[in-house]
Amino acid sequence: GENVEQHPSTLSVQEGDSAVIKCTYSDSASNYFPWYKQELGKGPQLIIDIRSNVGEKKDQRIAVTLNKTAKHFSLHITETQPEDSAVYFCAARASGGSYIPTFGRGTSLIVHP
Amino acid sequence: NAGVTQTPKFRVLKTGQSMTLLCAQDMNHEYMYWYRQDPGMGLRLIHYSVGEGTTAKGEVPDGYNVSRLKKQNFLLGLESAAPSQTSVYFCATGQGTRNDIQYFGAGTRLSVL
Repeated sequence: GENVEQHPSTLSVQEGDSAVIKCTYSDSASNYFPWYKQELGKGPQLIIDIRSNVGEKKDQRIAVTLNKTAKHFSLHITETQPEDSAVYFCAARASGGSYIPTFGRGTSLIVHP
Repeated sequence: NAGVTQTPKFRVLKTGQSMTLLCAQDMNHEYMYWYRQDPGMGLRLIHYSVGEGTTAKGEVPDGYNVSRLKKQNFLLGLESAAPSQTSVYFCATGQGTRNDIQYFGAGTRLSVL
């Protein structure tokens, strides 16, 4: 089955800096890669996703890049703000079969004012 | 429009006791999922359902049972709780389309003593 590795497990940045979280996946059939943000005491919420036919996608201060050859994808957050502090999860899902994504273990992002 | 509602929010059990966690959704989604979240382990799938009357095992199904008698409800049961089942449990729903976004509830924090 699919295996998703996520790094780093903890990331501490100063407000205004950029943050990058990286994930690798094992199943070359995976074609959908969502990123979820989990604030303290809440459930995860989708913030951005990318499909395998696209190399990059942006939404204001967040962007995701995908390298299918190397089987890795990354989340980029620019001009970080304290409200960006949360746990971020990447996931990968293969086409066909049940729509079951495999999640990374999460990255705790701390943005210091 | 409540989205995905989990009850209860908190529960403390003694080893050997049983309980049922309820997930209710008003989004008319076909797919429903139960995950557990443990420190450093990310989100692990326990069971899922692709429609009313169906259930299937996920990554960590042992010690849990589920039922989906109505489309809007997905129940997770612990027949004989063990300390290893201390965790935060999340329910999620999805449309089951090609690029499936998952919508998560706020979670149930369970402690088994």
